[in-house]
Order: sequence, then structure tokens, then C-alpha cells
Amino acid sequence: EVQLVESGGGLVQPGGSLRLSCAASGFTFSSSWMHWVRQVPGKGLVWVSRISRGGDITNYADSVKGRFTISRDNAKNTLYLQMNSLRGDDTALYFCAGEVGAPGHFDYWGQGTLVTASS
Amino acid sequence: DIQLTQSPSSLSASVGDRVTITCRASQSIGTYLNWYQQRPGKAPNLQIYAVSHLQTGVPSRFSGSGSATDFTLTISSLQPEDFATYYCQQSYRPPYSFGQGTKLEIK
Repeated sequence: EVQLVESGGGLVQPGGSLRLSCAASGFTFSSSWMHWVRQVPGKGLVWVSRISRGGDITNYADSVKGRFTISRDNAKNTLYLQMNSLRGDDTALYFCAGEVGAPGHFDYWGQGTLVTASS
Repeated sequence: DIQLTQSPSSLSASVGDRVTITCRASQSIGTYLNWYQQRPGKAPNLQIYAVSHLQTGVPSRFSGSGSATDFTLTISSLQPEDFATYYCQQSYRPPYSFGQGTKLEIK
């Protein structure tokens, strides 16, 4: 069974940092492009970042570019999102999602981890 | 960046109705268009990928069509479990934008 389990969310002061993790199992993690998507409770989905299978290609939404860094450890089957200089508008539920079956769509999602940037 | 505009933003319908949701892209995205269903408190769930391909396990009452900039998701006969929010998403190039969502409610 494919599973994606996020962790690392929590309450952080504006300007602070947080690292999210997404533990993958049930599929060949190293063969899948991976993504982070966020959602303010009650609002829509917003794509944040993606990383290639080997980790050599990364892309970011303009709103997080220069502040967030996506990475992966294929030996540990884990995806990361390092979030620095957090702002109030980064407050959201963060999902990891994978292109597991075929490229171009997110066929597996985690349940999300909540990040709250507030003083 | 590519913008996706969904319509309507919300829709009231009854069990058994046929409903259509549209998604318009700000530029041509070929067939790189996917649809997701999200129920309250749950993660999104892929319904249709590459415009018209049904994800495994998704009922055949769901269908998708379109190309270039105009796309539709159709549910032929609504069932109680279909009442949720639906999002289109383009995977033509990053940033992989989503539409703003269409909330399908029971009339």
C-alpha cells in the first residue's frame, strides 16, 4: 500500500524556520517526482514546489522562492521542505504528493501537516 | 505563469443530476490537465488525468474532455459521495497551478 506521511508542522513565530518531512512507503520512491502543495483551511490548493527523481531539478512557486528549499533522501525514502523566513501567509496545511504511477499528475497524497506562523 | 479559471465556483445539484464543471487555462496546455476531488478534512484525490483518463477506482460516471485552453469535468449521475470540491490542475510546466475550486453541494 502506498503511503505518504508528513510531519514537522507546528507553531512558529514569523521569521522563524521549520523543516517538514514526508515519509514514503509502498512504492519506488526514487522513481517518482515529488511535490509540496499547501492549503489555507477553507481555501484552495496552491502548488509550492517539486523535485526530480534524483533531486537535481527543483522548482518553486514565486511566493516561496528564496525562502523554501525542497530536497529528498532516496536512501531514507523521505522528502523534505526546509522553510525559512516564515510569514503569516505561509500558514497552511502542507501536503506532500507524488507522481507515482505516471508523470504529470499527483496520484498519491499525504494527509498533510499544519504550519502556523504567528506570534 | 499559467492561470486556471474554474466555473462555477459553487454548484447546487440533486442526486441523479448531470453536472459539468469547466476549467479555462490562460494559455494552451495541450492535454496536461488533471482533476482532483477533495472531501472536507481529507487530502485531494486524483479523479482524471491527462484530460480524459480515469484514475483507477474512479467510477465511470466521471468523464473529462477538452484540449488546449478549455476543459470540462462531467459527472453523469450524481451520487451522494460525489458532493465535494473539485479542482483542475495543469502539469504543462511549473508552477503547477490549480483552479480555485468548484464546491458541489446537495440541493
